[in-house]
Amino acid sequence: AQTVTQSQPEMSVQEAETVTLSCTYDTSENNYYLFWYKQPPSRQMILVIRQEAYKQQNATENRFSVNFQKAAKSFSLKISDSQLGDTAMYFCAFYMEYGNKLVFGAGTILRVKS
Amino acid sequence: KAGVTQTPRYLIKTRGQQVTLSCSPISGHRSVSWYQQTPGQGLQFLFEYFSETQRNKGNFPGRFSGRQFSNSRSEMNVSTLELGDSALYLCASWSGSWGTGELFFGEGSRLTVL
Repeated sequence: AQTVTQSQPEMSVQEAETVTLSCTYDTSENNYYLFWYKQPPSRQMILVIRQEAYKQQNATENRFSVNFQKAAKSFSLKISDSQLGDTAMYFCAFYMEYGNKLVFGAGTILRVKS
Repeated sequence: KAGVTQTPRYLIKTRGQQVTLSCSPISGHRSVSWYQQTPGQGLQFLFEYFSETQRNKGNFPGRFSGRQFSNSRSEMNVSTLELGDSALYLCASWSGSWGTGELFFGEGSRLTVL
């Protein structure tokens, strides 16, 4: 069974600084997606960034980037120039082609301080 | 492009009643999946539908059921409600084509069972 582990329940960062959220996963599959979702207090789950397992190049979306280490089954999210609006719960999730479902980690609460 | 629409946003029921939640996916998306989010259990997969067929089901009792219509809209039903069914129910919309990797969530339906 696939599992996703986020080992940091809570993190804090000062505005304008950089923070990295950790995620590891376990699977024997070769074809899958990895996602980071953000859920602010308003509760809408927002897609932050995605990574296809077959792509070696790390995905980047503006201030958000990932460090994807397939062999180590690691998928960390780096947020640069943190903003107050980045305060939210962040979920790492795994999506397997033939599973048709997301497997989520427990989430990391990120607080950006001014 | 309109996002994923879930109705109702909030509802309160009493034990023993039943409830039906609705999800309209992004136009053109054929896959709809449902997730239950609770503070204790996190995000758990309920089921996934594609072209009116249930392709995968999570580990939930038979009181939880769903269906998908020809226009891809989906409903989930919970019968004989229990206090533990109080949760945020999230619906996710997926294009259905491996390689596009777009999976977006609705705002959720907050169910409170008294």
